[in-house]
Amino acid sequence: AQKITQTQPGMFVQEKEAVTLDCTYDTSDPSYGLFWYKQPSSGEMIFLIYQGSYDQQNATEGRYSLNFQKARKSANLVISASQLGDSAMYFCAMRDSNQAGTALIFGKGTTLSVSS
Amino acid sequence: SQTIHQWPATLVQPVGSPLSLECTVEGTSNPNLYWYRQAAGRGLQLLFYSVGIGQISSEVPQNLSASRPQDRQFILSSKKLLLSDSGFYLCAWSRGATGRKSEQYFGPGTRLTVT
Repeated sequence: AQKITQTQPGMFVQEKEAVTLDCTYDTSDPSYGLFWYKQPSSGEMIFLIYQGSYDQQNATEGRYSLNFQKARKSANLVISASQLGDSAMYFCAMRDSNQAGTALIFGKGTTLSVSS
Repeated sequence: SQTIHQWPATLVQPVGSPLSLECTVEGTSNPNLYWYRQAAGRGLQLLFYSVGIGQISSEVPQNLSASRPQDRQFILSSKKLLLSDSGFYLCAWSRGATGRKSEQYFGPGTRLTVT
């Protein structure tokens, strides 16, 4: 069965520093997609970045980059130059290959706190 | 541009009462639609998804049901709420039939408290 694991319940970082949020996954499907979402205290889920299993390069979106290590089945999110507004819960997710739709399987999340 | 709406934003209901949460999407057609539930401090659990009008797939056996009466409308219902139904309900959409890269876009959510 597919599974997403986020082992860091909480992370703390100072402004302008970089931070890495860990995510490991398990799937037997050779083709899969990995996503990161941000959930601020308002509750809305905000899409950040996507990595496809066949993508040759690590995905990047502004200050967000994904450290994709396929052999280790890890897809860590790197946030460079942290800002106070980055304080939120972050979820790693994977497309569920067992469904006809495009539903996602989510990890339990990591709470990031950025201090000044 | 596409937008997704959910209402109500918050809801407090007694045990045994009915429930109806509504989600609508604008600016796209034939979307895939999803209902997720998030318990306090937890990740998201998929409840239902739909790839078209009248087509509903259920992921978790429970006292909730979903319906899609129109292309861009998705409704989550219950005839009798349980305490365990409390949580944060999120509706999401994605572009249909576009393969594996299609990310999901979430609505603002409904915070349900069953008392």
